[in-house]
Amino acid sequence: VQLVQSGAEVKKPGESLKISCKGSGYSFSNHWIGWVRQMPGKGLEWMGIVYPDDSETKYNPTFQGQVTMSADTSTNTAYLQWSSLKTSDTAMYYCARQPVDDSGYWLGLDNWGQGTLVTVSS
Amino acid sequence: DIQMTQSPSTLSASLGDRVTITCRASQSVSTWLAWYQQKPGKAPKLLIYQASSLESGVPSYFSGSGSGTEFTLTISSLQPDDFATYYCQQYITYPWTFGQGTKVEIK
Repeated sequence: VQLVQSGAEVKKPGESLKISCKGSGYSFSNHWIGWVRQMPGKGLEWMGIVYPDDSETKYNPTFQGQVTMSADTSTNTAYLQWSSLKTSDTAMYYCARQPVDDSGYWLGLDNWGQGTLVTVSS
Repeated sequence: DIQMTQSPSTLSASLGDRVTITCRASQSVSTWLAWYQQKPGKAPKLLIYQASSLESGVPSYFSGSGSGTEFTLTISSLQPDDFATYYCQQYITYPWTFGQGTKVEIK
């Protein structure tokens, strides 16, 4: 199992951005992908999850309306996008696989991407 | 939102020490709790899920316990590779939330 994220980005406030997370080594369509933010020197924040097979999403209200999570099963890639970045979006963003066991119960975020550093500065 | 509070925030320990980190939830999360380890500049790594289930490949000197609102992560004998920051996470109620982290430092 491997999740490979797109490279670091430097953007200006107000610009749009879409970062990616490509999965391999497992059935991408059938596993939720979670996104986690880590601001500089701070802890982990759960942003939400997306189910690639039908694009169902569950957002943290803190991030609802601020970002969009999506997935493309044809390329085994999940995306996190912003339409108008703010300086406060400067952070490391991680994607991670969020598996469910055979009984339908959530397990932990078991495989993580390497992170994408997003810097927003004028 | 369910608040997850870890204690201590920082812990100084020596090689071979038994280390215990506590995570308290503002309301019951049953056993829907995970523990992660993060080293500087690296992605977090899952250690424990379902409060006490050891993730595949994680050394057996890590263990988790608890249910409801109080949980512990125990490192039975601290190894050089274990100096890192540890986070708990509840995943019973959206939004899922992390604790603020516990940094384990060399004494």
